[in-house]
Amino acid sequence: DGGITQSPKYLFRKEGQNVTLSCEQNLNHDAMYWYRQDPGQGLRLIYYSQIVNDFQKGDIAEGYSVSREKKESFPLTVTSAQKNPTAFYLCASRSPQVEAFFGQGTRLTVV
Amino acid sequence: RKEVEQDPGPFNVPEGATVAFNCTYSNSASQSFFWYRQDCRKEPKLLMSVYSSGNEDGRFTAQLNRASQYISLLIRDSKLSDSATYLCVVMGGGSNYKLTFGKGTLLTVNP
Repeated sequence: DGGITQSPKYLFRKEGQNVTLSCEQNLNHDAMYWYRQDPGQGLRLIYYSQIVNDFQKGDIAEGYSVSREKKESFPLTVTSAQKNPTAFYLCASRSPQVEAFFGQGTRLTVV
Repeated sequence: RKEVEQDPGPFNVPEGATVAFNCTYSNSASQSFFWYRQDCRKEPKLLMSVYSSGNEDGRFTAQLNRASQYISLLIRDSKLSDSATYLCVVMGGGSNYKLTFGKGTLLTVNP
């Protein structure tokens, strides 16, 4: 089945650790996105990529890094510089004339 | 001015009511507009794309006013199952794939 897959579903991070969230799509979409959602809040854009080997900062990129080495994959690293990383992270993909499809999300908790 | 501003809500309505959601955007070059629905602790899913001429899908009607940079969603004869958060989404113009979400409006339909 075509779709977008995020893993893991739940992730626990110790203070000072970097963690990487996975996002894979087999929809042949050009663009991929990472959003962060805090309780009762909307989605805030972290990074997006319109094409392989290129990505743009969103509104809250500080403390995060991404790579886009393959069209299918857009991993997000939450670095130790991100001071408040506990949130729900959503990955999405789309192509022109097509709506964005989302993965099921990763809930990250700092312990 | 924020890129996308949405009625904060929340809205509590009885079954059968008509409810309207409104959203304004700041970038006049924006090309594509969508309404998404998000259930509690789930990923957002597309409800409707919004076209210049307006579009209807059953009980749902979406409108776009480019001159006022305003989009709307009308739900008629609301059902209990319509209870969710409704998010307006705006995509940048031209080759800009940036997707910006409003903060969302929580709707609760009561029996």
